Amino acid sequence: AQSVTQPDIHITVSEGASLELRCNYSYGATPYLFWYVQSPGQGLQLLLKYFSGDTLVQGIKGFEAEFKRSQSSFNLRKPSVHWSDAAEYFCAVALTDKKLVFGQGTRLTINP
Amino acid sequence: DADVTQTPRNRITKTGKRIMLECSQTKGHDRMYWYRQDPGLGLRLIYYSFDVKDINKGEISDGYSVSRQAQAKFSLSLESAIPNQTALYFCATSAGGRNQPQHFGDGTRLSIL
Repeated sequence: AQSVTQPDIHITVSEGASLELRCNYSYGATPYLFWYVQSPGQGLQLLLKYFSGDTLVQGIKGFEAEFKRSQSSFNLRKPSVHWSDAAEYFCAVALTDKKLVFGQGTRLTINP
Repeated sequence: DADVTQTPRNRITKTGKRIMLECSQTKGHDRMYWYRQDPGLGLRLIYYSFDVKDINKGEISDGYSVSRQAQAKFSLSLESAIPNQTALYFCATSAGGRNQPQHFGDGTRLSIL
């Protein structure tokens, strides 16, 4: 089945530490991939997207993600997290022109 | 003003009641979507519409109906609410094309007692 998996339900990191959130997809063709962030009480905001070309994509708020076809992964990274990065993060794949499929989400907690 | 506005933001109601959640957008997008979010399940698509005359079921449409009143308005109804429909509901919009991101409202938190 075509799906998106985020293996980590909850991650805690210290402020200033580096961050990597994992995303694996299962899809036969070239995926269109997205990362969204959901802050408490708010909707989802697009962080970055990948369709083709350079496999390292830059997004807003200092985030980047790397597409690795051989590993079917699209992991999100940030070199140094800030307390304001505490949120829930969703990976999504556009399987067709019609809709997105979302992963289960990873909740990020930042320790001061 | 928000590009995608959902009303109400919070609603508590009783089993068996009819509920309508409303969504309006100022982005000029043709495509609109309704999702529900449950802890640990991510977002699941309820219904989507690509224009005023186009309505499509998503993966979890049972117990829900929708109306696309205009390009900018897309409402979700629960005809007879039940407790397992307690969730956070999101409306989203997008332009056409697989590479177009979706833009989300701030959500409606619905509790059914």
